Amino acid sequence: DAKTTQPPSMDCAEGRAANLPCNHSTISGNEYVYWYRQIHSQGPQYIIHGLKNNETNEMASLIITEDRKSSTLILPHATLRDTAVYYCIVRTYNTNAGKSTFGDGTTLTVKP
Amino acid sequence: DGGITQSPKYLFRKEGQNVTLSCEQNLNHDAMYWYRQDPGQGLRLIYYSQIVNDFQKGDIAEGYSVSREKKESFPLTVTSAQKNPTAFYLCASTGYSTSGNTIYFGEGSWLTVV
Repeated sequence: DAKTTQPPSMDCAEGRAANLPCNHSTISGNEYVYWYRQIHSQGPQYIIHGLKNNETNEMASLIITEDRKSSTLILPHATLRDTAVYYCIVRTYNTNAGKSTFGDGTTLTVKP
Repeated sequence: DGGITQSPKYLFRKEGQNVTLSCEQNLNHDAMYWYRQDPGQGLRLIYYSQIVNDFQKGDIAEGYSVSREKKESFPLTVTSAQKNPTAFYLCASTGYSTSGNTIYFGEGSWLTVV
């Protein structure tokens, strides 16, 4: 699996959009970008994933650059409950996709 | 409800003892994983299994052992050879869903060496 690079921390004002970047310059053609978040001392929770098109669901939007070497997770109206560690990983679509490696993620702090 | 169950939630171990963390899933997933998380750090892969009776070492397998005798179970043993076992341990599994090839996590187990 390709590795990803994320900033260690970010702040965001409550009600504003939070934009979390991720670099995955060695991503393969069959690898998807997945985003998860982890609230303290809980298991990480799935947010969104995409291959090359922008994606949106009820939680967030995912913007993937045309060359697929980076992506941005957007939380459109951040709340205090969005304070968490956000992980970006890349993995294939195959169920038995081998190793799934997480980095250190980005700690997002939403401030009142 | 379907999901991953880890037990115990909190475990204390004396130095020199082996302990086993349980992980059970009823999602019918083929692949299962164990991660270790230290305070303020990311997730590091210990072991993973893609099919019953088969498993591979992750990035930090030394001092740990696993078995995969049943599809739904993937227990992790922390042996006395693991010199710094105090950490948060997460079990996960993967399978197809409306969210694609999503990784599902349990709620984790805290292990403290006393």
